[in-house]
Amino acid sequence: AQTVTQSQPEMSVQEAETVTLSCTYDTSESDYYLFWYKQPPSRQMILVIRQEAYKQQNATENRFSVNFQKAAKSFSLKISDSQLGDAAMYFCAYRTGTASKLTFGTGTRLQVTL
Amino acid sequence: GAVVSQHPSRVICKSGTSVKIECRSLDFQATTMFWYRQFPKQSLMLMATSNEGSKATYEQGVEKDKFLINHASLTLSTLTVTSAHPEDSSFYICSASLGGSEKLFFGSGTQLSVL
Repeated sequence: AQTVTQSQPEMSVQEAETVTLSCTYDTSESDYYLFWYKQPPSRQMILVIRQEAYKQQNATENRFSVNFQKAAKSFSLKISDSQLGDAAMYFCAYRTGTASKLTFGTGTRLQVTL
Repeated sequence: GAVVSQHPSRVICKSGTSVKIECRSLDFQATTMFWYRQFPKQSLMLMATSNEGSKATYEQGVEKDKFLINHASLTLSTLTVTSAHPEDSSFYICSASLGGSEKLFFGSGTQLSVL
C-alpha cells in the first residue's frame, strides 16, 4: 500500500522568509503523481502544485516550488517570500497514474509570523 | 476552473437520524467522485470511490450500510449517513475527477455534528 509521511506537524516562518515542508512517500509504482494541497481555515482544499513522477524537472508555481527526489521518494515544498495568507494546513498527496484517488499525508500546519 | 458544490455546509442532527450530503459538479461531467472524512486536526481519509451508474467502492473499514453512496448522474453524488451517532461527527469532503484526468476538484465540505 502506498503511504505518505509528513514528519513536521507544525512549522513557523517569518513573513518574507522561505520555508520548506517535507514529505516522503512509499510506492512500488513507476507512474504516479504527487501534489501539495493547502487547507486554510475555511477548510476548502486548494491545489498548490503537482509533479508528475516521469518528469525530472521540479515543478514551480510562482512562489511555490518542489524538490522532487524520486530515488529517495522525497517531495518537499518550498515557499518563498512567505505571506500571511500562506498560513494553513499543507497536505502532501499521492496518486497512481491509473487511479484518481488521493492518499494524503498527515499534514503540516504552517504559521506565518510578522 | 471547474467547480464542485457540496451541500449542506453544516448540519446538526439527533442521534439515530439519517443525513444526506450532496456533491455536484457544476460545469463538468464527473464520472468518478470521491468521499473523504476528516476528523479534527487530522488528515483526509478516503471513504469510498463513487462511479456513475455503478456501486461505490468502499475503503477497508468503512461500513457500506452506514455510509450509503449514490452516483445516479454524471453531475451528482450523494452520501447518506444512516442512523448517525456522535462518533460519526466529522468533516466530510467530496471531490470530483474531471474526465478521468489527474485533476481533482474539491467541494467545500460538510461539517456533521451528531448530538
